[in-house]
Amino acid sequence: EAGVAQSPRYKIIEKRQSVAFWCNPISGHATLYWYQQILGQGPKLLIQFQNNGVVDDSQLPKDRFSAERLKGVDSTLKIQPAKLEDSAVYLCASSSTRQGPNTEAFFGQGTRLTVV
Amino acid sequence: AQSVTQLDSQVPVFEEAPVELRCNYSSSVSVYLFWYVQYPNQGLQLLLKYLSGSTLVKGINGFEAEFNKSQTSFHLRKPSVHISDTAEYFCAVRVNQAGTALIFGKGTTLSVSS
Repeated sequence: EAGVAQSPRYKIIEKRQSVAFWCNPISGHATLYWYQQILGQGPKLLIQFQNNGVVDDSQLPKDRFSAERLKGVDSTLKIQPAKLEDSAVYLCASSSTRQGPNTEAFFGQGTRLTVV
Repeated sequence: AQSVTQLDSQVPVFEEAPVELRCNYSSSVSVYLFWYVQYPNQGLQLLLKYLSGSTLVKGINGFEAEFNKSQTSFHLRKPSVHISDTAEYFCAVRVNQAGTALIFGKGTTLSVSS
């Protein structure tokens, strides 16, 4: 079974520029998560999708971050404009709801963003 | 709301020594507990999880963890570590409902030297 795919792996941009990250979850996984992992900290949930609907975006800085999952499969996360403090690894994860509460989240390798 | 505290930010040990990485959680509802490992420039890999039943959980790579409800702890242990165990370890909790997100601790860096 293919894992969660993310691209690009690395991105360097200047502050105030925009950037987009892409995630392809495991086939059939209805739930998709985007996490932000700042150096030295644990991953923090930014947004959670169930199919193409948003379940939780309470920690998403909506003035500059946006995310979509139009067809309930792939997802993109965008930052516009970027700030220095957005430098982090952005992790995408997916899970299946078919196993009920026992479902496990599978993580991609992440996109490392450096804002200079 | 749930929260996770990993009590040690860094744990240096020698090869073949035992190790314990400590994790405490806070929650007003029942939760599931997880340990993930992250190798450099990699995503998170599940080591083990506690859902219910036996409080001693065995995972991959020889790791095990014990759920202690009275102390709200879920410490990770390995009797003999290898150089290859050098990585970042994250404890996480999730409410026991389908489709809820993981909440992570800040992580513990395990450094194994010879």
